[in-house]
Amino acid sequence: EIVLTQSPGTLSLSPGERATLSCRASQSVSSSYLAWYQQKPGQAPRLLIYGASSRATGIPDRFSGSGSGTDFTLTISRLEPEDFAVYYCQQYGSSLCSFGQGTKLEIK
Amino acid sequence: EVQLVQSGAEVKKPGESLKISCKGSGYSFTSYWIGWVRQMPGKGLEWMGIIYPGDSDTRYSPSFQGQVTISADKSISTAYLQWSSLKASDTAMYYCARQKYGSGRSPLDYWGQGTLVTVSS
Repeated sequence: EIVLTQSPGTLSLSPGERATLSCRASQSVSSSYLAWYQQKPGQAPRLLIYGASSRATGIPDRFSGSGSGTDFTLTISRLEPEDFAVYYCQQYGSSLCSFGQGTKLEIK
Repeated sequence: EVQLVQSGAEVKKPGESLKISCKGSGYSFTSYWIGWVRQMPGKGLEWMGIIYPGDSDTRYSPSFQGQVTISADKSISTAYLQWSSLKASDTAMYYCARQKYGSGRSPLDYWGQGTLVTVSS
């Protein structure tokens, strides 16, 4: 099973700043089968990015994903108030999917 | 419109059995994998397993193999997650979600609203 480690655990930033979230895999994620999800309190997760860098339907272009192999990054170019949430990466390249432990993005 | 509607919250005692459901609509239910995800109170997402309703092909995370059973009834477009003997540690929110593509490997693009399961004596 591929283990995903996200960093940092908590990121404190202000609206308008740039956020960079990291996801590292214990082994290479085939074909960049890496997704990012956003979860707000009391809500189900929402798909943001898939295939490491493709935005899901309706996701603003301030969200971008990059990376390959074992190192992946989610970047939010200019934080809006509604972006403060928990973010999870997920690999779906193996028959057994797995999630990272999450990064909480909080208002500074 | 694609929708996944889950059954309501449950309160159970340790040792009891439980089956929760996830009804899909707005798409061909038999053509997309449905996954189950656990979220314990205040914790992260855990991938439990997945089922292809078309032929009931099922895969489990090693952490959940033998602990739960995933099934589907394609005649009523519903997937299920069941326990034969609940433990207090099964207390969590459980989400079902659909894979984005009908075949191959893909992320989860549509999610149910979640079913809260509370196990307490």
